[in-house]
Amino acid sequence: KQEVTQIPAALSVPEGENLVLNCSFTDSAIYNLQWFRQDPGKGLTSLLLIQSSQREQTSGRLNASLDKSSGRSTLYIAASQPGDSATYLCAVSSPGAGSYQLTFGKGTKLSVIP
Amino acid sequence: NAGVTQTPKFQVLKTGQSMTLQCAQDMNHNSMYWYRQDPGMGLRLIYYSASEGTTDKGEVPNGYNVSRLNKREFSLRLESAAPSQTSVYFCASSGGARAQYFGPGTRLLVL
Repeated sequence: KQEVTQIPAALSVPEGENLVLNCSFTDSAIYNLQWFRQDPGKGLTSLLLIQSSQREQTSGRLNASLDKSSGRSTLYIAASQPGDSATYLCAVSSPGAGSYQLTFGKGTKLSVIP
Repeated sequence: NAGVTQTPKFQVLKTGQSMTLQCAQDMNHNSMYWYRQDPGMGLRLIYYSASEGTTDKGEVPNGYNVSRLNKREFSLRLESAAPSQTSVYFCASSGGARAQYFGPGTRLLVL
């Protein structure tokens, strides 16, 4: 059974810092990996999707990498801003789980201090 | 283009009452999903529908039923609500091995 772990559970950084969020998964046989952002009391917003054949994806100040063989992904946020404060969730889609269903980590709660 | 919509946004039920959570997507996606999110447990899949006319159980299906009404709509029914079903429920949709898109959620409180 696929398991996804995100460390740390919470992270506090001063505004302007570059930071890295970590995600690890136990079964390297995945279709894709997706990073989400969740604001308090809100739904999930898709940030980046990396297919299993890809090594990284970029969107603006965000860069996500995937090392399938080691079961790891990182989300790099450059020049952090207070508006980046949210919970970031990592999820993987694996074979054997029907219809590309996702297995989620429990998230990293990010606080960017002005 | 509304994406994924869910109704209601918030609901309070008494133990034993029934209700249906509605979900619709306008992205022409084949696959739809229902998740619940609980503190300390993360998001867990309840049921999914790979395509119109099919549904399958996820990780935590007990106490729930689903209906894929058509390609756009996927509903989740609680026949006899229990306090353990107090949670935030999210519907999502995807087109194959592509990104999943989530609705805003339904907050359910069962007393």
